[in-house]
Amino acid sequence: GDSVTQMEGPVTLSEEAFLTINCTYTATGYPSLFWYVQYPGEGLQLLLKATKADDKGSNKGFEATYRKETTSFHLEKGSVQVSDSAVYFCALESSGNTPLVFGKGTRLSVIA
Amino acid sequence: GAVVSQHPSRVICKSGTSVKIECRSLDFQATTMFWYRQFPKQSLMLMATSNEGSKATYEQGVEKDKFLINHASLTLSTLTVTSAHPEDSSFYICSAMGLAGVGEQFFGPGTRLTVL
Repeated sequence: GDSVTQMEGPVTLSEEAFLTINCTYTATGYPSLFWYVQYPGEGLQLLLKATKADDKGSNKGFEATYRKETTSFHLEKGSVQVSDSAVYFCALESSGNTPLVFGKGTRLSVIA
Repeated sequence: GAVVSQHPSRVICKSGTSVKIECRSLDFQATTMFWYRQFPKQSLMLMATSNEGSKATYEQGVEKDKFLINHASLTLSTLTVTSAHPEDSSFYICSAMGLAGVGEQFFGPGTRLTVL
């Protein structure tokens, strides 16, 4: 079945450091790919998405590119802030109206 | 964006009692809602898919008689944990999908259930 693998956390970075969280997937067909963020004590929020190969999703300084050849959707941010501390989930959707398949999540802590 | 609420946000109950969790789409109609369970430091595991007006579809290994799901209207789905036990303690999250839009699932804030 479909699956998502993302790098194990926790990840601890200093403010203004560069962030990469790796995500790879296994799926039949052409899934849509997502990054969700969960801030402490809150629900999941969609951070960005890409629906086809070579699409780049971006939001709040974060970006990820749908790479079909490497089945990857790595999340990057050039300069992290303390407020970016959260758990980040990579997810895929096989087709419309199907449930999301999530990775295990990566906890990011940014220290001042 | 669209808003999904869950109630209650936290509940503590005694073993053997039943607990009902509500998931509401506040400003859109949701034909499909999903219920997930999140264990500490782990990912979300899909429990069931709920479609308005029909029976929920449960994932393998999820006891449908224990986790009763009712999608009574286009804005409300409920999850009832029957005869709760300590091992049911978890974070339960719902998501709702509107009438249109690929992958536009909107998540509720979650409900923390603690069974004593």
